[in-house]
Amino acid sequence: AQSVTQPDIHITVSEGASLELRCNYSYGATPYLFWYVQSPGQGLQLLLKYFSGDTLVQGIKGFEAEFKRSQSSFNLRKPSVHWSDAAEYFCAVSNTGGFKTIFGAGTRLFVKA
Amino acid sequence: GAGVSQSPSNKVTEKGKDVELRCDPISGHTALYWYRQRLGQGLEFLIYFQGNSAPDKSGLPSDRFSAERTGESVSTLTIQRTQQEDSAVYLCASSLDTGEQYFGPGTRLTVT
Repeated sequence: AQSVTQPDIHITVSEGASLELRCNYSYGATPYLFWYVQSPGQGLQLLLKYFSGDTLVQGIKGFEAEFKRSQSSFNLRKPSVHWSDAAEYFCAVSNTGGFKTIFGAGTRLFVKA
Repeated sequence: GAGVSQSPSNKVTEKGKDVELRCDPISGHTALYWYRQRLGQGLEFLIYFQGNSAPDKSGLPSDRFSAERTGESVSTLTIQRTQQEDSAVYLCASSLDTGEQYFGPGTRLTVT
C-alpha cells in the first residue's frame, strides 16, 4: 500500500538559514510526487511536483526537491528561508495518472528572527 | 470560477443530524477529490471522481459518508447521523489529468 512519511512533526529555522524537509514514500512503481504548503488561514497550494525526467525539480517561492529512487525520498529544500515561509508542508504521492493521492502527516515550519 | 469553492465555510450541527457539504470545482477539471483534515493532522483521502469512471470510495470511513458528483461539475459530500469524531475541516480539490490538485478553502464542520 502507498504511504508517505514525514519524520519531522515540526522544525524551527532562523530566517536566512537553509531548510530541508524530509519525505519518504512507499510505493511499488514510479510514483507521482508532490509538495504542498498550507499557510495559516489559507488553503493548500502546490509548491512543486515530480512526474518523470530530471530528478531535481524547481518550484515556486524558491523551493526545490530531489527525487532519490534508491532512498525512496523526495526531500524539499530552500537555500534561504523567509519569515513568510512559516507554514505546514505536506508531501504527497499518487499513482500514475495522479488520482488517488496519499498525503503525509505534515511538517510545521517555524521561522525565528 | 477562478478557483475551487466550497460551501458552507463553517457548519455547526448537533450530533445525529445529517449534513451536506458542497464543492464547485474549477471549470474543465475532470477529477474531483474530498479529504478530511482533523485538527493538527494531515489530509485523509475520502473519495475521488474522475470523468465518467466509477468513483474511488476506498477512503470513506463508514457507510454514513457518501458523495455524489454531477457530470464534471458540482459535488456534494453527505454525512448522515453525524458524530463528534466527524468534526474536522473537509477539503475539496479538483485537477486535470496531470493530478496537480487545486484546493478549495474547506468547510469547517463542528458536531456538538
